[in-house]
Parts: sequence; structure tokens; C-alpha cells
Amino acid sequence: SAVISQKPSRDICQRGTSLTIQCQVDSQVTMMFWYRQQPGQSLTLIATANQGSEATYESGFVIDKFPISRPNLTFSTLTVSNMSPEDSSIYLCSASTGAVSGNTIYFGEGSWLTVV
Amino acid sequence: AQSVTQLGSHVSVSEGALVLLRCNYSSSVPPYLFWYVQYPNQGLQLLLKYTTGATLVKGINGFEAEFKKSETSFHLTNPSAHMSDAAEYFCAVSDQNNQGGKLIFGQGTELSVKP
Repeated sequence: SAVISQKPSRDICQRGTSLTIQCQVDSQVTMMFWYRQQPGQSLTLIATANQGSEATYESGFVIDKFPISRPNLTFSTLTVSNMSPEDSSIYLCSASTGAVSGNTIYFGEGSWLTVV
Repeated sequence: AQSVTQLGSHVSVSEGALVLLRCNYSSSVPPYLFWYVQYPNQGLQLLLKYTTGATLVKGINGFEAEFKKSETSFHLTNPSAHMSDAAEYFCAVSDQNNQGGKLIFGQGTELSVKP
């Protein structure tokens, strides 16, 4: 199994600022992902964090707004840039072993951001 | 492309009653299917998953789900609801063809349990 730690767990941010969320996995995983959960809504995939290269973004999400890094197999960061109140969400890091026959998908506890 | 539809944004049952949360999926390739639970102010916890093999999958806390390919469904059941089961439940789909854990989530169903 894998344990995912996210920091910060919660934060209140000022409009126009940027915040970087860190995701650390306690074992090597194949794939890492970032999701957003807006208040009262489901989870939406932001991007796949690729080790050593640019992240792969889903429709509606762009690198300038959500820069992502993944320098190694167990660590990734998501930055929420130039925040507005609409960015108030839970941001979740996910990791997968990626085995075709039975991948296991893990989630962090989430980073709860409020933009004021 | 894949998608998930959860029928009913809110389900209310009495304590001890049967819980049925509905999930239908769309996928052009064989799916992996998941149910997650989110308790208030907490992260996601995996209840159960279907990858291959037996179509009836048992999870934690007495929950189980059955994969029905002909109906493209993966409904979640629990024979006896507990007050502690009150939470948001999410059905999710991934595919077996090298997506490596990328999930598409349904809109979620909030389960309330009445005493």
C-alpha cells in the first residue's frame, strides 16, 4: 500500500496570490494525478503529473494557472496561480501503481483552500 | 471516452434498512470500477473496486457492488444501514488500457441515515 501526504492540509489565501501544494508518497508509484473538488461537487481531474516532463492537462485546465512539477517518482507539487474565490476547492493528489492487471489507486487527504 | 452517472444526488434510508446507490457507466473499453466514500470534512476512502474476475465485489463496512456488463451498472449495496454510513459516495471508472489510475468520477450521492 501507499500513504499520500499533502501539505498544506488547509489554508486561507488572499485573492491574487499563488499557493503551492506538496504531495509526498511513501513508496514509488507509477502515476500521479491532481484532482479538484469544488464545494458540493464531484472530483475533476486537473492533470497527470509526469516525472521529469510537463504535466498532461485535462480540458479546461492550463499550465499557466496550475503549474505542476514531478521531479521524482514519489513527489509532486501543484501551484494554484493568481487565485480568485472560484479557486476555493479541495485539491487532491492521487497515485497509482499502474499495474495493468490490477492497479491500486490512492488518494491524499486533500488540501482545503479558501480564497478570500 | 468514459463517463459515470449516479442516479440520485441524495438518498435517505432508515437505520437497519437496505442501502442501494446506483451507478451506471459508459466505456468503450473494459472498465475498472470503483466506489469511494467521503465523510464530512475528510478525504476519499476506497470502499471497493472491480477490475477483473468475480463480478460481485465485497468491500469494507458491509458494502458490496455487482458489475453487470449487460446493464453497464455497478450499483452499491449494504443490507443494513448504520448511522455511521452517512457520507458522500462516489462511483468512478478507469480503463484497463494503460490509463494507469486516471479516474472519471460520478457526481456523487449523499447518503443520509435516519434513526
